[in-house]
Amino acid sequence: KAGVTQTPRYLIKTRGQQVTLSCSPISGHRSVSWYQQTPGQGLQFLFEYFSETQRNKGNFPGRFSGRQFSNSRSEMNVSTLELGDSALYLCASKRGGVETQYFGPGTRLLVL
Amino acid sequence: LAKTTQPISMDSYEGQEVNITCSHNNIATNDYITWYQQFPSQGPRFIIQGYKTKVTNEVASLFIPADRKSSTLSLPRVSLSDTAVYYCLVGDTGGFKTIFGAGTRLFVKA
Repeated sequence: KAGVTQTPRYLIKTRGQQVTLSCSPISGHRSVSWYQQTPGQGLQFLFEYFSETQRNKGNFPGRFSGRQFSNSRSEMNVSTLELGDSALYLCASKRGGVETQYFGPGTRLLVL
Repeated sequence: LAKTTQPISMDSYEGQEVNITCSHNNIATNDYITWYQQFPSQGPRFIIQGYKTKVTNEVASLFIPADRKSSTLSLPRVSLSDTAVYYCLVGDTGGFKTIFGAGTRLFVKA
């Protein structure tokens, strides 16, 4: 069974631009969560989507948004990029309940 | 939400058994304990999950005492490729308010 895939793997943007990251969950998984990982803050939860609805949200500004499609694929958008948004963005999927989540390889975003 | 405490780093040699302990004093009755491994610039990889007593799979064992206020990940006969950061998570196994701690950086030497 294919794992979680994320595209693109690497991205360079400049301040003020916006970016969209994509995540395809493991087949059959309906929950997709997004995380930001930086050396200073570690791994931080952004939000979780389940059946196209945002189920939970972490403590991030409104510039960070996401959505989930009917096929469970998810996208994350960051608007008005700031230097501090440079990070590894990770997506994880699970079937939906209290289960193990599986992570993708991440998208490395560099904001210049 | 259960907070976890792990050693910041550990050193070991190839072929040794490594035990990483995680403290989670305020674990809730329905919380599970999950361990992940992460290599630089990669996503965390699920290692093992348990609720109580002992769980073993092909890569590790997880020991959980009766009071469940701590857990120990045991890696048998580590190799250089086991050098990574190991995270202990308690509670919801994903998404909703998942809190990753700082993790334990394991260095395996030849």
